[in-house]
Amino acid sequence: DAKTTQPPSMDCAEGRAANLPCNHSTISGNEYVYWYRQIHSQGPQYIIHGLKNNETNEMASLIITEDRKSSTLILPHATLRDTAVYYCIVLGLDSSYKLIFGSGTRLLVRP
Amino acid sequence: DSGVTQTPKHLITATGQRVTLRCSPRSGDLSVYWYQQSLDQGLQFLIQYYNGEERAKGNILERFSAQQFPDLHSELNLSSLELGDSALYFCASSVGVRADTGELFFGEGSRLTVL
Repeated sequence: DAKTTQPPSMDCAEGRAANLPCNHSTISGNEYVYWYRQIHSQGPQYIIHGLKNNETNEMASLIITEDRKSSTLILPHATLRDTAVYYCIVLGLDSSYKLIFGSGTRLLVRP
Repeated sequence: DSGVTQTPKHLITATGQRVTLRCSPRSGDLSVYWYQQSLDQGLQFLIQYYNGEERAKGNILERFSAQQFPDLHSELNLSSLELGDSALYFCASSVGVRADTGELFFGEGSRLTVL
């Protein structure tokens, strides 16, 4: 599975959009980009995933560049409850679900 | 609430002892995964079971073992405990066995402290 690179920390103001980048320059054609987050010491929570096209759900949007070497997770209106560590993970289509969590990005949403 | 239940939530024991952590997956999920999260190692995949059979293994120590029972609940057994085994242990479940079958649902974890 390809490795990912994320900034260690970011912050944004409550109510504003939070844009979390992720580099995955060695991603291959059959690998998905997954995003999970972990609030404090709770169990990780699935956010969104995508292969090539941009994706949106009730939690977030995922923008994947055309060359698929990077992506951005967008939380459109961040709230204090979105303060968490966000993990970008690349996972093969046919691989077992062995999520490899890196260091992630610690997002702090400021009041 | 993810629907994944882990017990106990907290456990304090001594070095050399053995403990069992239990996980009940979401209703209908056939795959169970175990992860370890310690302060210096982050989240580490340990092992995966699908419908009672081991499907994938991570960096699980030989002192650790797991199984999935016919009712699909799973147990993680940790023996000859060392101080370094102190960690949060998460269980997760999914419907299928592969990454393209959907998301993982994580429990709230079992915090193990070895003194």
